[in-house]
Formats: sequence, C-alpha cells, structure tokens
Amino acid sequence: ETGVTQTPRHLVMGMTNKKSLKCEQHLGHNAMYWYKQSAKKPLELMFVYSLEERVENNSVPSRFSPECPNSSHLFLHLHTLQPEDSALYLCASSKEAGYEQYFGPGTRLTVT
Amino acid sequence: QQPVQSPQAVILREGEDAVINCSSSKALYSVHWYRQKHGEAPVFLMILLKGGEQKGHDKISASFNEKKQQSSLYLTASQLSYSGTYFCGTVPFGSSNTGKLIFGQGTTLQVKP
Repeated sequence: ETGVTQTPRHLVMGMTNKKSLKCEQHLGHNAMYWYKQSAKKPLELMFVYSLEERVENNSVPSRFSPECPNSSHLFLHLHTLQPEDSALYLCASSKEAGYEQYFGPGTRLTVT
Repeated sequence: QQPVQSPQAVILREGEDAVINCSSSKALYSVHWYRQKHGEAPVFLMILLKGGEQKGHDKISASFNEKKQQSSLYLTASQLSYSGTYFCGTVPFGSSNTGKLIFGQGTTLQVKP
C-alpha cells in the first residue's frame, strides 16, 4: 500500500449507531487531518494531529471523536450522528503540520 | 475567514488560458492550491510561502501577493486533463505550525476539445 488509505469507502449508518472511520498513511508523515466535504460546500477542516497530539479542533460537535494512536493511523469515531452529517470524509497527511497535504480517497458517509 | 475564489466556474477550449483568483480578508502565512477531479481526492498542486512568490510546474503557475492578501493560479495552454475543481487553501498568520488550512469554495474548470 502506498499513499493514504481510508476504510471503509462507503458507510451507511442510523442515527443511533456507533461506527469508526480509519485512515492510514504510508508516507512517513508526522501530521494527519480530518476534513468534511459536503455537496456544494468547501472542504471543512475538522481536526489536526501533529506527532499524535491534537493541535487543532475546528469547533466540531462532540459526536465526532478523533483518535491518533500513532503517526501512521487516524480514526474518527462516530456516534448519534444527524442526517446533516452525511458527507465525504477525507483524511490527509503531511510531512509536518502546515506542509503540503496528501489526501486519501475518502469515506462516503450516509446517515439515515 | 473563508477565502473567496473567483470565478466560480470556467469553461475553456483546449489550448486556452485561465486565471483563478483567491482573496482573503485575513493576513496570510501561505497559500496552497489543490485540484479535485470528480469522484477523486484533492491533489496538491503547489504552495506559496512568501509574499510575492511565484511558483509553477509545467503550464500551471501561481503568484502570491502578500499585501493584497490574494493569490492567483494561472493555467496556460489548457489540456483536457486540467478539468476539475480547483481549491485554494489559506494558512492565516499565527497558524503556520498548526496545519490549519481554510479552503475556498472552489472553482470548477471544464476544458472542452
């Protein structure tokens, strides 16, 4: 595997479910990011981790909970989501925070 | 705080040129440019770190006017492969080490044969 991978690629969940999105980077980078991309909206930064420490939390509701166990893996834990949370969730990594970012293919999330 | 991109959409014929602008109301540390094709992840194009800096590769280049807090992306002799949505991402002063990137709404570019 090379680059940034994300699983699952598609996810349908009910409002009462709990699920997790996984991101893995094989680039030796130290920073990882979560973004939300909704239809006809710009990419919204959610969280930034640098050397496994959260350095940015962009006013994201607590029903989204990130976890970075090491510099290669990033998770987004989801619980009691709302239909408006349906979107493409993109993970990215960079050599250091602030450097150019490399994106994964995204997880298309649908909340029913 | 979100940068404003213009135009929102552009349609070109192969070989034509285009300019996409990105303006911010905040002082900037850097500007990033990305391209996203339909159904794919955004792909990094270039980053501009200094006021007045210009960068480019192949027929795509960009400039950064620090005083005006704006950046422009230049696409010359466009090819079909240039089609996609172009996003600028701005890093405000004071956020250079947090990775905080604020994206514009995107400019959709369509190149026709």
